[in-house]
Amino acid sequence: GAGVSQSPRYKVAKRGQDVALRCDPISGHVSLFWYQQALGQGPEFLTYFQNEAQLDKSGLPSDRFFAERPEGSVSTLKIQRTQQEDSAVYLCASSWSGNQRDEQFFGPGTRLTVL
Amino acid sequence: AQSVSQHNHHVILSEAASLELGCNYSYGGTVNLFWYVQYPGQHLQLLLKYFSGDPLVKGIKGFEAEFIKSKFSFNLRKPSVQWSDTAEYFCAVSPYTGGFKTIFGAGTRLFVKA
Repeated sequence: GAGVSQSPRYKVAKRGQDVALRCDPISGHVSLFWYQQALGQGPEFLTYFQNEAQLDKSGLPSDRFFAERPEGSVSTLKIQRTQQEDSAVYLCASSWSGNQRDEQFFGPGTRLTVL
Repeated sequence: AQSVSQHNHHVILSEAASLELGCNYSYGGTVNLFWYVQYPGQHLQLLLKYFSGDPLVKGIKGFEAEFIKSKFSFNLRKPSVQWSDTAEYFCAVSPYTGGFKTIFGAGTRLFVKA
């Protein structure tokens, strides 16, 4: 079946603009994760959803970052008033259940460049 | 703070050479451990995982990893690499803290010369 998809694949924003990044997880997957990956680094956890509930948002770097998953499937990561330090690849991953031992299936990422 | 250290950022090997990639984590409690791989142009995908039982775990494509609790390590090994193993490898830890955070290392880029 289809894997995790993300859109757009590339986004260029001017500093101060708001952006919205979309993630379509694998159908039926309960868990959804967002990560930020800076150049030369590993993915850094941002937030976690179990169905529509946001159970962990400890990794969101500031109140400019907001994520939602209103119907327990598609998720959107919104960044307000983008800054240059927000430039990174934003990865979405989903997993079958709410168990931490589950394999996470990753999407291709959205590369955000803030000018 | 919890962290994952991967000792080598870049590794270059010839085909048939043996591979060992180091991974250490800083968390004193129970953890789930993972190795993910990203082949050129592809998504991150799971190579293997460990959460309990035999500390020597076998994964796909002939990879294995050994969990040594006393050393807080989870090193990845392969006896004989192939050109197709050229990829970036990430060690990841999911601590039993009640949260859902998975912590990744910075990754090791492996290039295998044909």
